[in-house]
Parts: sequence; structure tokens; C-alpha cells
Amino acid sequence: AQKITQTQPGMFVQEKEAVTLDCTYDTSDQSYGLFWYKQPSSGEMIFLIYQGSYDEQNATEGRYSLNFQKARKSANLVISASQLGDSAMYFCAMRGSAGGFKTIFGAGTRLFVKA
Amino acid sequence: KAGVTQTPRYLIKTRGQQVTLSCSPISGHRSVSWYQQTPGQGLQFLFEYFSETQRNKGNFPGRFSGRQFSNSRSEMNVSTLELGDSALYLCASSLRDSLTDTQYFGPGTRLTVL
Repeated sequence: AQKITQTQPGMFVQEKEAVTLDCTYDTSDQSYGLFWYKQPSSGEMIFLIYQGSYDEQNATEGRYSLNFQKARKSANLVISASQLGDSAMYFCAMRGSAGGFKTIFGAGTRLFVKA
Repeated sequence: KAGVTQTPRYLIKTRGQQVTLSCSPISGHRSVSWYQQTPGQGLQFLFEYFSETQRNKGNFPGRFSGRQFSNSRSEMNVSTLELGDSALYLCASSLRDSLTDTQYFGPGTRLTVL
């Protein structure tokens, strides 16, 4: 079975500082994809970043980077230079062949950025 | 390029009724997935369609059904609504049905069952 665990229900960060949101996963697949999404209070899920299981380099997209540690099965999201608009719910997700290509999501981490 | 659109955005129904939600994917995307999001259960996968075929189904009762049309637009239907069906229903589209394709989400339909 596949599982995503996000152990931080809520986190606070000061504006302009960096923050790391934790994500660990469990899968028997050799090939899988890892995704992070942001969900503001409006409800829409916004894609942030993708990491493939065979990608040797950590993915980066602007202020977002993914700290991928395959042996530890972790895929932490790092947001640099936090902005007030980063306050939202963040979801880690995985898509694998063992799960029939279903995407499963973690419980999410609510991030609060303080001015 | 227009994003994923979902209609209606808000819906109020009573127990026992049925409801149909619609999703139009990004142009060129052939895969559409549906998710239910509730405060208690989080985001749960409902089903996925690719080229008009249901490829995957989540652990939901048969009251939940869906279909995809030849233009990739998708509908989901919930019959005999229960109070517990109140949720945000999210639709996501991707180019193909593969591990690497990113799913892009619509704004969701917020269903309230009274």
C-alpha cells in the first residue's frame, strides 16, 4: 500500500525566512512521482513542484525546492524568502504504478507567514 | 490557455436527491480525475478517466459514478445524497495517464447536503 505522511499540522514562519515542510512516503514502487500542491483559502489546488523517483537532482521552481532523500523516503518542500501570500495549506502527493496510477495525498500542513 | 473549469461552483441539495457535477479539462488534456475533500477525511480519490475509459476507482460506494465524453469533459454523479457527501469536489486534468504528468486542479464544487 502507498502512504503519504505529513507530520506538521501547522507551522509558523517569519516573512522573508525559509521554511521546510516535511513529507515522508511509503511505497513498494521503483518508479513514482512526488508532487507538492498549495491550497489557499479559496480552495483551488495549485501545483508547485514535481520530483521523479529516478531524478538525481532535487527539483527547483523559483522559491520552491524539493529536498528528495530517496533512501529515507522523504520529499520535503523548502520555501525560501517566505511571503505573506504563502500562507496556505500545503499537500504532498505521490503517484505510483502500484497504486494503479492513483494520486494519494497527505493530510497537509497549514503554513502561517507572520509579518 | 484556459485552466480546468468546474460547474457549478456551489450547490445545495437535500438528502435523497441526486447531483451532477461537471469538469472541463485544460485543452489537450485527456485524463481527468475526481477527488472529494472533507475536513475529516482529507483528499480522497474518487475516480480517473482517460480517453472515455475509467482507469481507476477509489473506495466509494456505487452511488458515486462518473463518465468522460469524447471531448474529455467529465461529469460525476452522486445519487441518493447523504449528509456525509457534503464536501469540496475537485477535478484535475493531465495530458496523459502516467506517473510523471502533473495534475492541474479546477476551483472545485462545494456541495452542501441538508
